[in-house]
Amino acid sequence: GAVVSQHPSWVICKSGTSVKIECRSLDFQATTMFWYRQFPKQSLMLMATSNEGSKATYEQGVEKDKFLINHASLTLSTLTVTSAHPEDSSFYICSARIETDIGSPLHFGNGTRLTVT
Amino acid sequence: GENVEQHPSTLSVQEGDSAVIKCTYSDSASNYFPWYKQELGKRPQLIIDIRSNVGEKKDQRIAVTLNKTAKHFSLHITETQPEDSAVYFCAASRPGAGKSTFGDGTTLTVKP
Repeated sequence: GAVVSQHPSWVICKSGTSVKIECRSLDFQATTMFWYRQFPKQSLMLMATSNEGSKATYEQGVEKDKFLINHASLTLSTLTVTSAHPEDSSFYICSARIETDIGSPLHFGNGTRLTVT
Repeated sequence: GENVEQHPSTLSVQEGDSAVIKCTYSDSASNYFPWYKQELGKRPQLIIDIRSNVGEKKDQRIAVTLNKTAKHFSLHITETQPEDSAVYFCAASRPGAGKSTFGDGTTLTVKP
């Protein structure tokens, strides 16, 4: 159980275009999902917390107008990288947890390798 | 906010030896401490976790210890195998906060 599916697994786009990444919790409902960015050989950097039915909470330094997050249902969150530039090339990974009061592990999607040319 | 420091950043051991990775955290309210293993190009996966009401937890070759007073926790891998080679991340989270703060990761290499 607790499977998170992320699509696409990789995408190549031209500079100036937008890319949408989907994150689905397949066998549980998630009112909250988390979007991370990971550079090669570096840690997971939290970009934003996606909240079902309300606005996402962005971490300091993350441009909300550039990284649009929508969490329209209890099983789906999307991240849209708008007007992508080469510096946006990275590994984007979403996660969610089965919510409990006592702490539970994050279940990660497979990640999306974005390359902007 | 929470700050998690992880050491060492790289660790190389001989097959069969033990490996220890240490993390410290700053927020005394944090109560959940998972460890994730990430193989190259793949998603992080939970390998073991510990909650603040216990001091130690073991699962076969893997163990985690927690010292709440000192605010540090450690991952212990015994009888290492080449397939243990990966990047390991520690994390800490507060009750109800949702988000986790990750350490910078440790690249473990097990030499056959």
